[in-house]
Amino acid sequence: QVQLQESGPGLVKPSETLSLTCSVSGGSISGYYLYWIRQPAGKGLEYIGRLYTSGGSSYNPSLKSRVTISVDTSKNQFSLKLTSMTVADTAVYFCARDDVGIGASGVYWGQGIMVTVSS
Amino acid sequence: QSALTQPASVSGPPGQSITISCTGTSSDVGGYNYVSWYQQHPGKAPKLMIYEVSNRPSGVPGRFSGSKSGNTASLTISGLQAEDEADYYCSSFTSSNTMIFGGGTKVTVL
Repeated sequence: QVQLQESGPGLVKPSETLSLTCSVSGGSISGYYLYWIRQPAGKGLEYIGRLYTSGGSSYNPSLKSRVTISVDTSKNQFSLKLTSMTVADTAVYFCARDDVGIGASGVYWGQGIMVTVSS
Repeated sequence: QSALTQPASVSGPPGQSITISCTGTSSDVGGYNYVSWYQQHPGKAPKLMIYEVSNRPSGVPGRFSGSKSGNTASLTISGLQAEDEADYYCSSFTSSNTMIFGGGTKVTVL
């Protein structure tokens, strides 16, 4: 069973950079699309970006200038960096992975990590 | 990119069928057969219920079905059950090679 687990700081100061890692167990990340999605409290899901381990990435246009998604296949992990954090970036951050034959969808999800932006 | 449009809430008694709509544009929902639906219970991660408009992943009950007409996709729950009470989100691939979600629909079982 594929499992994902987000890790990183729960509290970030305004203007700082958020760094989150998603560790994948029970399956490989190679050859799959890897996603980061976030959800402010009481609000809907927001696509942050995705990366294809064989090459290629895409980001939400509204976040593109601040986002980087990278992968470390040797550790079976992928990461999110979001710069210049503001209060508006306070949210639960989820990582997800697709599956063979299931296009453009997060099939396996982490439990989410709450990130608060506050001084 | 603007979120796909979903009704804020839909409700029905147990056993009834309900349908949730998800309206986009020709640059997303209408242009690709990559519409997905997710179920999210409070405090939990989303769960994929439908992918590529009408396909159910293994383990998803048959009472969940999806369809699309033009720029609007729909999720139907036939024979509503208490455990179906949750928030539901649609998503679509876009012409910008990104993904976009709907605003979410709260399903209440009366």
